[in-house]
Amino acid sequence: KAGVTQTPRYLIKTRGQQVTLSCSPISGHRSVSWYQQTPGQGLQFLFEYFSETQRNKGNFPGRFSGRQFSNSRSEMNVSTLELGDSALYLCASSLSNKITDTQYFGPGTRLTVL
Amino acid sequence: GENVEQHPSTLSVQEGDSAVIKCTYSDSASNYFPWYKQELGKRPQLIIDIRSNVGEKKDQRIAVTLNKTAKHFSLHITETQPEDSAVYFCAAISNYGQNFVFGPGTRLSVLP
Repeated sequence: KAGVTQTPRYLIKTRGQQVTLSCSPISGHRSVSWYQQTPGQGLQFLFEYFSETQRNKGNFPGRFSGRQFSNSRSEMNVSTLELGDSALYLCASSLSNKITDTQYFGPGTRLTVL
Repeated sequence: GENVEQHPSTLSVQEGDSAVIKCTYSDSASNYFPWYKQELGKRPQLIIDIRSNVGEKKDQRIAVTLNKTAKHFSLHITETQPEDSAVYFCAAISNYGQNFVFGPGTRLSVLP
């Protein structure tokens, strides 16, 4: 089976712009979670989608949003980018919404905001 | 909400020695505790996990122990090898639909 894929892998934006990142889960996986990874804050949970519904949301401002499509692919959007949004954005897919299902991470999208 | 602390932040051991990383959590409702390994420039990968109804779990050179009373769990790596060098993250989550909360990570260096 192909692993989790994320596009694009690298992105450079300027402050005030918006960005959309994409995540394709492992075939058959219905849950997708998004994380932000920075050297200072570590791995922080953004949100989780299961069957096109957002199940959980972390402590991020409303500029961060996401959605999931019927084929389980997910996108996250960040509007009005700030310098502090520079980070590695990881998505992870799992089979279902059970917490004990193994999460498989994608390679990440490295976003740089100038 | 849940808060996960992880110690030490960096750890250097000689090849063949053991390494121990400890995490503490705050939410007594947390009942699932995975450990992830992230090599430089790569994605995190699950290496072992433990549920709250189990005190210890072992997989070859890796073991995890859980003390629910004290709210801490530890990763033990025996006979360390250079390829064990990575950042290790612990995490905690409860059944009540909450999200994973990760520890800040431990950078393990295994010196040949």
